[in-house]
Amino acid sequence: GAVVSQHPSWVICKSGTSVKIECRSLDFQATTMFWYRQFPKQSLMLMATSNEGSKATYEQGVEKDKFLINHASLTLSTLTVTSAHPEDSSFYICSATNSGGVTDTQYFGPGTRLTVL
Amino acid sequence: DQQVKQNSPSLSVQEGRISILNCDYTNSMFDYFLWYKKYPAEGPTFLISISSIKDKNEDGRFTVFLNKSAKHLSLHIVPSQPGDSAVYFCAGGKGNEKLTFGTGTRLTIIP
Repeated sequence: GAVVSQHPSWVICKSGTSVKIECRSLDFQATTMFWYRQFPKQSLMLMATSNEGSKATYEQGVEKDKFLINHASLTLSTLTVTSAHPEDSSFYICSATNSGGVTDTQYFGPGTRLTVL
Repeated sequence: DQQVKQNSPSLSVQEGRISILNCDYTNSMFDYFLWYKKYPAEGPTFLISISSIKDKNEDGRFTVFLNKSAKHLSLHIVPSQPGDSAVYFCAGGKGNEKLTFGTGTRLTIIP
């Protein structure tokens, strides 16, 4: 089955630093990738939708200058948390689809745990 | 290695009938499971959960059944309504760790 990886799986950083998280589709071309943040009690919040070669579409309330998303190729999207603060500590999960989101089948990555000290 | 599998990518059910969405898992360490519902262009929204120590949890029209010996869970929706048409994801979790999701099943309710 399709595989999506995330790197790193866990990162600890100091407040004020920037952290980059990679999301890769390993065996298919992901036309669309989604970035989610997992909040306590396991609810997921869609942060942004990224299509290869174009700017990401951010959900309301998500600061695009703080959460930089780049989808440079059909197999890689990156999320950079700039000037991270302790309240940014969370799980960040990506998912990918290879059909432009039409079929809604999404392959989720394993998640990245961000801890900001 | 997919630890959570939803083998049916799509399902069509007549309005008023029962919808049954299935999910299989391989990781016996999960201690709870969740179902999410997702409309197009939106993120998944939480629907119902079940602890691994239970075999059934009911919330209105939605019931989740867990068969630990078979490593199988199912979501029953009865009666099915047109607004239930969406993609449903199951997920397994352990403690405060990240969730592991299935690939989703698209449910279409036929009026």
